[in-house]
Amino acid sequence: GQNIDQPTEMTATEGAIVQINCTYQTSGFNGLFWYQQHAGEAPTFLSYNVLDGLEEKGRFSSFLSRSKGYSYLLLKELQMKDSASYLCAYMDSNYQLIWGAGTKLIIKP
Amino acid sequence: ETGVTQTPRHLVMGMTNKKSLKCEQHLGHNAMYWYKQSAKKPLELMFVYNFKEQTENNSVPSRFSPECPNSSHLFLHLHTLQPEDSALYLCASSQEDFHSSGYTFGSGTRLTVV
Repeated sequence: GQNIDQPTEMTATEGAIVQINCTYQTSGFNGLFWYQQHAGEAPTFLSYNVLDGLEEKGRFSSFLSRSKGYSYLLLKELQMKDSASYLCAYMDSNYQLIWGAGTKLIIKP
Repeated sequence: ETGVTQTPRHLVMGMTNKKSLKCEQHLGHNAMYWYKQSAKKPLELMFVYNFKEQTENNSVPSRFSPECPNSSHLFLHLHTLQPEDSALYLCASSQEDFHSSGYTFGSGTRLTVV
């Protein structure tokens, strides 16, 4: 079956660090994606993990544990412009993307 | 601008109208997708085209009709829609071997059915 879960909403403070978790259950797995979507705009690609471990890209990092069916997106030195929805999606055995409902991140001054 | 352009950005239509959504990409990608995005729900894949051939139709009602005349253009023809079809319709494109680079999305068409 297809099952992927992430929190609906999170709030964090400017300058702080926030971790957005994503859990999934699938019998076939070909990697996990994170996308950012500002209100009224296109989702934009942030990261792709297919092997266990942490991938770092500037202020954003993404982690994957395949054995636990778990990923997180870590955002450091938060800026007001980071207020957006963050979408988690895994690629199944048919190379189709299965999406979570997204996490709305609110950054407060 | 992401490289994938969707028009119109906003559309209000009655249940008896016929309208079309347009998507265009000049990224050299060979796969194009239509997604439906409703509030607080996961993206729903509607149609997939690879090299202009439809390879996926996820049990979408026939009131939605896709058309892919070439690898750069994708249309979604709408006819006799229902209010529950109101949503953001996103187009995306990718290379066939996109695994690490992901999809490129357009900004979407916000559709309201009245």
